[in-house]
Amino acid sequence: DVVLTQTPSTLSATIGQSVSISCRSSQSLLDSAGNTYLYWYLQRPGQSPQLLIYLVSNLGSGVPNRFSGSGSGTDFTLKISGVEAEDLGVYYCMQATHAPWTFGGGTKLELK
Amino acid sequence: QVTLKESGPGMLQPSKTLSLTCSFSGFSLSTSGMVVSWIRQPSGKSLEWLAAIDWDGDKYYNPSLKSRLTVSKDTSNTQVFLKITSVDTADTATYYCARNWELDYWGQGVMVTVSS
Repeated sequence: DVVLTQTPSTLSATIGQSVSISCRSSQSLLDSAGNTYLYWYLQRPGQSPQLLIYLVSNLGSGVPNRFSGSGSGTDFTLKISGVEAEDLGVYYCMQATHAPWTFGGGTKLELK
Repeated sequence: QVTLKESGPGMLQPSKTLSLTCSFSGFSLSTSGMVVSWIRQPSGKSLEWLAAIDWDGDKYYNPSLKSRLTVSKDTSNTQVFLKITSVDTADTATYYCARNWELDYWGQGVMVTVSS
């Protein structure tokens, strides 16, 4: 199975600060058709995960544009440009290029 | 409005079969390309994709659990089911269903505890 390693595991930020989360894959997530099936989710405390970013860099429906995704191959980044209180929770990356789909271990974003 | 809701037994004993239902609205599983997946999350841990079924009835399983999993859907294409046989304490988790390969909509989750 593809292993996704997220760093850091915990991130402390102040409101308005910009932060980045890394997701590194054990295999390239580029498929033979040229697609990269890498997604980002946010799970707020006590809630279900919600889709933030799909296909590396596309913003999910209703997701604020302070969120952005980038990367290719095995290295991907989620950036939040100006953290807001509602952004606190655990962020997960997921790959769907190689079966079975797998998730990263999560990055907890907390207030400093 | 797309909604999904999981339901299940809450608690069951080791070696039993866990039966879960995902009831959804706002979309139909008969629509070409549509998929519903099952994902679980032990308390305080990350997520594990378990299985999926698509609009055409094709089924997809996590190989690590494949021998114990069965995913199915109803004929009205508004419910998806998951059965896990021979459960043990390691199957204690919150179980989610979600729509599409990108998991764009999730249910609220159902907590399942396996205990004697």
